[in-house]
Amino acid sequence: GENVEQHPSTLSVQEGDSAVIKCTYSDSASNYFPWYKQELGKGPQLIIDIRSNVGEKKDQRIAVTLNKTAKHFSLHITETQPEDSAVYFCAASKNNAGKSTFGDGTTLTVKP
Amino acid sequence: EAQVTQNPRYLITVTGKKLTVTCSQNMNHEYMSWYRQDPGLGLRQIYYSMNVEVTDKGDVPEGYKVSRKEKRNFPLILESPSPNQTSLYFCASSPSGGKNSPLHFGNGTRLTVT
Repeated sequence: GENVEQHPSTLSVQEGDSAVIKCTYSDSASNYFPWYKQELGKGPQLIIDIRSNVGEKKDQRIAVTLNKTAKHFSLHITETQPEDSAVYFCAASKNNAGKSTFGDGTTLTVKP
Repeated sequence: EAQVTQNPRYLITVTGKKLTVTCSQNMNHEYMSWYRQDPGLGLRQIYYSMNVEVTDKGDVPEGYKVSRKEKRNFPLILESPSPNQTSLYFCASSPSGGKNSPLHFGNGTRLTVT
């Protein structure tokens, strides 16, 4: 089955700096790669996603890049703010499979 | 408000006492799924359902049961809970799991089995 590895497990940055979280996946048939943000006491919430026919996607301060050949995708957060502090999960899935495989999560701390 | 509702939020029980965690969504989503979250292990899929009366095992189904008798509800049943099922559980739904759409998560159920 699919295996998703996520790095780093913890990340601390100064407010205003950029943060990058990386994930690799094993199943070349995977074609959907969402990123979720989990705040304390809440369920994960989608922040951005990318499909395999696209190499990059941006939404304001957040961007995701996908390298299908290397089977890795990354989350980029620019101009970080304290409210970006949370746990971030990447995931991978493929059409009609019903299964989503998640990375182990990255705890991001943005210091004011 | 569009949401996934889990109940209860917190549950403490003893080994062997059957329990059910309920999950309901009001978005008319076809796909629903259960996950458990443990420190350092991320989110692991327990069971999922592509539609009413259609369920399938995820990566860690042992010790759990589910049913999907109606579209909005997807209860998780632990017939004989054990301490290794102590975890944080999340229910999620999406318009169509087959077409890879984003998951909408509930706020979680923290289960402790003593």
